[in-house]
Amino acid sequence: DSGVTQTPKHLITATGQRVTLRCSPRSGDLSVYWYQQSLDQGLQFLIHYYNGEERAKGNILERFSAQQFPDLHSELNLSSLELGDSALYFCASSRARGSYEQYFGPGTRLTVT
Amino acid sequence: QKEVEQDPGPLSVPEGAIVSLNCTYSNSAFQYFMWYRQYSRKGPELLMYTYSSGNKEDGRFTAQVDKSSKYISLFIRDSQPSDSATYLCATSTSGTYKYIFGTGTRLKVLA
Repeated sequence: DSGVTQTPKHLITATGQRVTLRCSPRSGDLSVYWYQQSLDQGLQFLIHYYNGEERAKGNILERFSAQQFPDLHSELNLSSLELGDSALYFCASSRARGSYEQYFGPGTRLTVT
Repeated sequence: QKEVEQDPGPLSVPEGAIVSLNCTYSNSAFQYFMWYRQYSRKGPELLMYTYSSGNKEDGRFTAQVDKSSKYISLFIRDSQPSDSATYLCATSTSGTYKYIFGTGTRLKVLA
C-alpha cells in the first residue's frame, strides 16, 4: 500500500458527461501528479501540482482540468467525455516539488460508453 | 516517433534467469531515468532511478544508462515468479517536472 488513495475505483459513464476523480496524497507529500494509462498510449503524464500550485502540464486535453486544495487533496475533472477517454487514471504523490520518487495510487478505471 | 520506446513483450524466462529490459529514447536532454514495476491491476511502484550515465545497483536489480546511444537497461538477476509484472522505463529533464514513460514490457518468470 503506497499511502495514496484514489476514489472511486471504477466509474462508468456516458459520452458527453462530466466526472471528477479524487486523490489524497501520502501524509506529508506536497506534490500530486496525474497520469492517464491506456493500452495503446501507455502511461501519459497529465499535470503536476505542488502545494496548491500548478507546476507542469503534460498531454492534458483542454476538456480536462485539475486542482489541488489547501488540504493537499487533488481532483481531476474530465468533461465532454468521449469513448477514447476510457482509461486508468493514476494519481501519484511525492514529498518534494519535482521528485522522481513518486508513489502511485491504485488508480480509477474510467469507462465511457 | 515516441520519445521513449520500449518493447511491449511479453518476455518469458525461466526462474533464476538473468532478465534484461531495455528502452531507447530520442531526446538527449533527458537526464533522469527511472524504472517502475507495475503488477496487474495496481499502480506503478518505483524500483530505481539514476541520474545521467552509469550504473546503479540495488539487490538483484541493476539500472544502466548509456547516454551516448540513448539506451537504458534494467537487469534482474536470479529472477523469481514474483518478478512477473510490467516494467516501465521513464525519463525526465532537470527542472521540467514532466515525466515521459515507455509503454512497458510485460515480463513472465516461469517457475
